Amino acid sequence: AQRVTQPEKLLSVFKGAPVELKCNYSYSGSPELFWYVQYSRQRLQLLLRHISRESIKGFTADLNKGETSFHLKKPFAQEEDSAMYYCALRNVTYNNNDMRFGAGTRLTVKP
Amino acid sequence: DAGVTQSPTHLIKTRGQQVTLRCSPKSGHDTVSWYQQALGQGPQFIFQYYEEEERQRGNFPDRFSGHQYPNYSSELNVNALLLGDSALYLCASSRQGLYGYTFGSGTRLTVV
Repeated sequence: AQRVTQPEKLLSVFKGAPVELKCNYSYSGSPELFWYVQYSRQRLQLLLRHISRESIKGFTADLNKGETSFHLKKPFAQEEDSAMYYCALRNVTYNNNDMRFGAGTRLTVKP
Repeated sequence: DAGVTQSPTHLIKTRGQQVTLRCSPKSGHDTVSWYQQALGQGPQFIFQYYEEEERQRGNFPDRFSGHQYPNYSSELNVNALLLGDSALYLCASSRQGLYGYTFGSGTRLTVV
């Protein structure tokens, strides 16, 4: 069965410090991993996906199949990064968009 | 484009009652997924509809059912409401075969 684990419910860093939000997954097939973000009073929205290997708002995430992880990183956190972050795994076995989410990590960036 | 629209935004029901939540997908999207998000939790997958059929289902009882109409809009029905059904219900639309999900702002259901 597919499962996404975000071990930290809360994470607090100071502005300018590096930040890493952890995500581990279990999945028998070939996974597609995503990070979604929800800013205060806004809808859940896609931040980035592992296939595109892009950097969005300074965030990057590398899929490590050996460690079954997809940690989200940013070298210098900004106050506007404060939000809820959800790691998600897409079930590609049935060729659909069945997306499963972790419990989320609330990131607070202090001034 | 209004994106994904959900109605109502808030709802209060009594235990044992039935509720229907509605979702209009983003223009161009043909697939609708429903999620339940309890306080402090991540979205839990309920089911997904495509071509007016339930294609995939999460670990939810049969009290949770749905429907998709020819215009791709969707409904989530919950029968015999329990206090534990109180949550934010999210609808997400996408195009079949593509990864991009667009989320609605949700319906906050309170069961008393």
